[in-house]
Amino acid sequence: EVVMTQSPATLSVSPGERATLSCRASQNVNIYVAWYQQKPGQNPRLLIYHASTRAIGIPARFSGSGSGTEFTLTISSLQSEDFAIYYCQQYDSWPPLTFGGGTKVEIK
Amino acid sequence: QVRLVESGGAVVQPGGSLRLSCAASGFSFRTYGMHWLRQAPGKGLEWLAHIRFDGSIKYYADSIKGRFTISRDNSKNTLYLEMNRLRSEDMAVYYCAKVEDGSTHFDYWGQGTLVTVSA
Repeated sequence: EVVMTQSPATLSVSPGERATLSCRASQNVNIYVAWYQQKPGQNPRLLIYHASTRAIGIPARFSGSGSGTEFTLTISSLQSEDFAIYYCQQYDSWPPLTFGGGTKVEIK
Repeated sequence: QVRLVESGGAVVQPGGSLRLSCAASGFSFRTYGMHWLRQAPGKGLEWLAHIRFDGSIKYYADSIKGRFTISRDNSKNTLYLEMNRLRSEDMAVYYCAKVEDGSTHFDYWGQGTLVTVSA
Protein backbone atom coordinates (compact mmCIF):
# COMPACT_ATOMS: atom_id res chain seq x y z
CA GLU A 1 0.00 0.00 0.00
CA VAL A 2 1.28 3.46 -0.90
CA VAL A 3 1.33 5.71 2.14
CA MET A 4 0.79 9.42 1.47
CA THR A 5 2.14 11.80 4.10
CA GLN A 6 1.12 15.44 4.10
CA SER A 7 2.87 18.29 5.86
CA PRO A 8 2.34 20.42 7.73
CA ALA A 9 -0.84 19.27 9.44
CA THR A 10 -1.87 22.90 9.90
CA LEU A 11 -0.68 25.94 7.99
CA SER A 12 -1.44 29.43 9.28
CA VAL A 13 -1.39 32.00 6.50
CA SER A 14 -2.55 35.58 6.12
CA PRO A 15 -4.87 36.48 3.23
CA GLY A 16 -2.86 37.46 0.17
CA GLU A 17 0.14 35.37 1.21
CA ARG A 18 1.47 32.27 -0.53
CA ALA A 19 0.76 28.80 0.84
CA THR A 20 2.88 25.76 0.08
CA LEU A 21 1.55 22.31 0.99
CA SER A 22 3.60 19.13 0.72
CA CYS A 23 2.72 15.52 0.05
CA ARG A 24 5.18 12.64 0.08
CA ALA A 25 4.53 9.15 -1.26
CA SER A 26 6.13 6.06 0.28
CA GLN A 27 7.08 4.83 -3.20
CA ASN A 28 7.28 6.17 -6.71
CA VAL A 29 3.81 7.17 -7.97
CA ASN A 30 5.05 8.92 -11.12
CA ILE A 31 2.70 11.88 -11.71
CA TYR A 32 -0.47 10.16 -10.53
CA VAL A 33 -1.37 12.48 -7.70
CA ALA A 34 -4.51 14.55 -7.27
CA TRP A 35 -5.30 17.33 -4.81
CA TYR A 36 -8.72 18.05 -3.31
CA GLN A 37 -10.11 20.91 -1.26
CA GLN A 38 -12.73 20.30 1.40
CA LYS A 39 -14.62 22.92 3.37
CA PRO A 40 -16.61 22.13 6.54
CA GLY A 41 -19.82 20.28 5.78
CA GLN A 42 -19.01 19.95 2.08
CA ASN A 43 -17.79 17.19 -0.16
CA PRO A 44 -14.25 17.28 -1.54
CA ARG A 45 -13.59 19.27 -4.71
CA LEU A 46 -10.97 18.25 -7.26
CA LEU A 47 -8.30 20.93 -7.73
CA ILE A 48 -5.35 19.28 -9.46
CA TYR A 49 -4.75 15.93 -11.15
CA HIS A 50 -1.76 14.30 -12.82
CA ALA A 51 0.29 16.30 -10.28
CA SER A 52 0.03 19.60 -12.12
CA THR A 53 -3.12 19.82 -14.28
CA ARG A 54 -5.80 22.14 -12.94
CA ALA A 55 -9.32 20.77 -12.98
CA ILE A 56 -12.05 22.62 -14.84
CA GLY A 57 -12.99 25.89 -13.19
CA ILE A 58 -10.08 25.97 -10.74
CA PRO A 59 -8.45 29.41 -10.46
CA ALA A 60 -4.91 29.89 -11.71
CA ARG A 61 -3.67 30.73 -8.19
CA PHE A 62 -3.74 26.99 -7.51
CA SER A 63 -0.79 25.10 -8.95
CA GLY A 64 0.67 21.65 -8.46
CA SER A 65 4.12 20.27 -9.04
CA GLY A 66 6.23 17.22 -8.44
CA SER A 67 6.76 13.66 -9.59
CA GLY A 68 7.99 10.41 -8.12
CA THR A 69 7.58 10.75 -4.38
CA GLU A 70 7.48 14.50 -3.68
CA PHE A 71 4.54 16.73 -4.56
CA THR A 72 3.54 20.29 -3.80
CA LEU A 73 0.33 22.28 -3.97
CA THR A 74 0.87 26.03 -4.06
CA ILE A 75 -1.77 28.70 -3.56
CA SER A 76 -0.13 31.86 -4.82
CA SER A 77 -2.24 34.45 -3.01
CA LEU A 78 -4.70 33.13 -0.47
CA GLN A 79 -8.27 34.31 -0.73
CA SER A 80 -10.81 34.05 2.08
CA GLU A 81 -12.55 31.16 0.31
CA ASP A 82 -9.31 29.12 0.22
CA PHE A 83 -9.23 28.43 3.95
CA ALA A 84 -10.05 24.72 4.03
CA ILE A 85 -8.51 21.27 4.35
CA TYR A 86 -6.48 19.94 1.43
CA TYR A 87 -5.89 16.29 0.65
CA CYS A 88 -3.55 14.58 -1.77
CA GLN A 89 -4.39 11.21 -3.33
CA GLN A 90 -2.30 8.75 -5.30
CA TYR A 91 -3.73 6.63 -8.09
CA ASP A 92 -0.60 5.07 -9.53
CA SER A 93 -0.75 1.83 -7.57
CA TRP A 94 -4.08 0.50 -6.40
CA PRO A 95 -6.04 -1.03 -4.83
CA PRO A 96 -6.08 0.58 -2.44
CA LEU A 97 -6.35 4.19 -3.54
CA THR A 98 -4.80 6.21 -0.74
CA PHE A 99 -5.03 9.73 0.61
CA GLY A 100 -2.80 11.86 2.75
CA GLY A 101 -4.01 12.87 6.18
CA GLY A 102 -4.76 16.41 5.07
CA THR A 103 -3.39 19.91 5.64
CA LYS A 104 -5.65 22.47 7.23
CA VAL A 105 -5.04 25.98 5.92
CA GLU A 106 -6.22 28.45 8.52
CA ILE A 107 -6.26 32.21 8.83
CA LYS A 108 -3.24 33.65 10.60
CA GLN B 1 -24.61 18.37 -15.29
CA VAL B 2 -23.17 15.46 -13.33
CA ARG B 3 -25.09 14.69 -10.19
CA LEU B 4 -24.50 11.98 -7.58
CA VAL B 5 -27.02 11.66 -4.77
CA GLU B 6 -26.41 9.22 -1.93
CA SER B 7 -29.16 7.94 0.32
CA GLY B 8 -29.73 5.24 2.87
CA GLY B 9 -27.67 6.53 5.75
CA ALA B 10 -29.21 5.88 9.16
CA VAL B 11 -28.57 5.03 12.79
CA VAL B 12 -27.86 1.32 13.14
CA GLN B 13 -26.77 -0.90 16.00
CA PRO B 14 -23.38 -2.63 16.05
CA GLY B 15 -23.65 -5.85 14.08
CA GLY B 16 -26.47 -4.46 11.98
CA SER B 17 -26.82 -3.99 8.24
CA LEU B 18 -27.56 -1.14 5.88
CA ARG B 19 -27.72 -0.55 2.14
CA LEU B 20 -26.58 2.74 0.67
CA SER B 21 -27.59 3.94 -2.77
CA CYS B 22 -26.07 6.50 -5.11
CA ALA B 23 -28.29 7.82 -7.89
CA ALA B 24 -26.28 9.11 -10.82
CA SER B 25 -27.32 11.49 -13.58
CA GLY B 26 -25.81 13.82 -16.14
CA PHE B 27 -23.30 11.36 -17.56
CA SER B 28 -23.19 7.93 -19.14
CA PHE B 29 -23.22 5.95 -15.91
CA ARG B 30 -22.92 2.57 -17.63
CA THR B 31 -19.53 3.49 -19.10
CA TYR B 32 -17.78 4.60 -15.87
CA GLY B 33 -16.22 2.74 -13.02
CA MET B 34 -17.54 3.99 -9.69
CA HIS B 35 -16.22 4.17 -6.15
CA TRP B 36 -17.34 4.45 -2.55
CA LEU B 37 -15.31 6.41 -0.02
CA ARG B 38 -15.95 7.51 3.54
CA GLN B 39 -14.91 10.07 6.09
CA ALA B 40 -15.18 9.41 9.82
CA PRO B 41 -16.06 12.43 11.99
CA GLY B 42 -13.12 14.82 12.10
CA LYS B 43 -10.94 12.42 10.07
CA GLY B 44 -9.55 12.18 6.56
CA LEU B 45 -10.77 10.45 3.42
CA GLU B 46 -10.73 6.67 3.09
CA TRP B 47 -11.27 4.79 -0.14
CA LEU B 48 -13.54 1.76 0.28
CA ALA B 49 -14.50 0.05 -2.95
CA HIS B 50 -14.50 0.16 -6.73
CA ILE B 51 -16.71 -1.47 -9.31
CA ARG B 52 -15.92 -1.66 -13.02
CA PHE B 53 -18.38 -0.09 -15.45
CA ASP B 54 -19.96 -3.46 -16.21
CA GLY B 55 -19.77 -4.82 -12.68
CA SER B 56 -17.31 -7.54 -13.66
CA ILE B 57 -14.47 -6.40 -11.39
CA LYS B 58 -14.68 -5.22 -7.78
CA TYR B 59 -11.98 -4.10 -5.37
CA TYR B 60 -12.27 -3.50 -1.65
CA ALA B 61 -10.26 -1.93 1.12
CA ASP B 62 -9.07 -4.40 3.73
CA SER B 63 -11.09 -2.59 6.40
CA ILE B 64 -14.39 -3.64 4.79
CA LYS B 65 -13.50 -6.80 2.86
CA GLY B 66 -15.92 -9.61 3.58
CA ARG B 67 -18.44 -7.28 5.24
CA PHE B 68 -19.38 -4.77 2.53
CA THR B 69 -20.43 -5.43 -1.08
CA ILE B 70 -20.42 -2.94 -3.93
CA SER B 71 -22.86 -3.40 -6.79
CA ARG B 72 -24.57 -1.42 -9.50
CA ASP B 73 -27.69 -1.43 -11.64
CA ASN B 74 -26.89 0.27 -14.93
CA SER B 75 -30.56 0.17 -15.95
CA LYS B 76 -31.34 2.40 -12.96
CA ASN B 77 -28.12 4.47 -13.02
CA THR B 78 -27.58 3.50 -9.41
CA LEU B 79 -24.62 2.38 -7.35
CA TYR B 80 -25.03 0.45 -4.11
CA LEU B 81 -23.05 -0.43 -1.01
CA GLU B 82 -24.39 -3.29 1.07
CA MET B 83 -22.93 -3.05 4.58
CA ASN B 84 -23.10 -5.95 7.04
CA ARG B 85 -21.70 -6.59 10.52
CA LEU B 86 -21.35 -2.88 11.11
CA ARG B 87 -18.89 -1.71 13.74
CA SER B 88 -18.50 1.54 15.63
CA GLU B 89 -15.50 2.37 13.45
CA ASP B 90 -17.73 2.29 10.36
CA MET B 91 -19.48 5.43 11.53
CA ALA B 92 -18.80 8.02 8.85
CA VAL B 93 -20.13 10.07 5.99
CA TYR B 94 -20.18 7.82 2.93
CA TYR B 95 -19.54 9.29 -0.50
CA CYS B 96 -19.91 7.87 -3.96
CA ALA B 97 -17.58 9.30 -6.54
CA LYS B 98 -17.04 9.21 -10.27
CA VAL B 99 -13.59 9.02 -11.81
CA GLU B 100 -12.45 11.17 -14.67
CA ASP B 101 -12.31 9.38 -18.00
CA GLY B 102 -9.19 7.21 -18.31
CA SER B 103 -7.92 7.98 -14.82
CA THR B 104 -8.57 7.17 -11.18
CA HIS B 105 -8.90 10.57 -9.61
CA PHE B 106 -12.35 11.75 -8.61
CA ASP B 107 -13.89 14.58 -10.59
CA TYR B 108 -17.35 14.40 -9.01
CA TRP B 109 -18.47 13.46 -5.51
CA GLY B 110 -21.89 13.11 -4.01
CA GLN B 111 -22.90 15.16 -0.99
CA GLY B 112 -22.54 12.13 1.26
CA THR B 113 -24.84 10.17 3.55
CA LEU B 114 -24.21 9.72 7.27
CA VAL B 115 -24.03 6.28 8.83
CA THR B 116 -24.13 6.24 12.62
CA VAL B 117 -23.34 2.99 14.42
CA SER B 118 -24.54 3.13 17.99
CA ALA B 119 -26.30 0.95 20.51
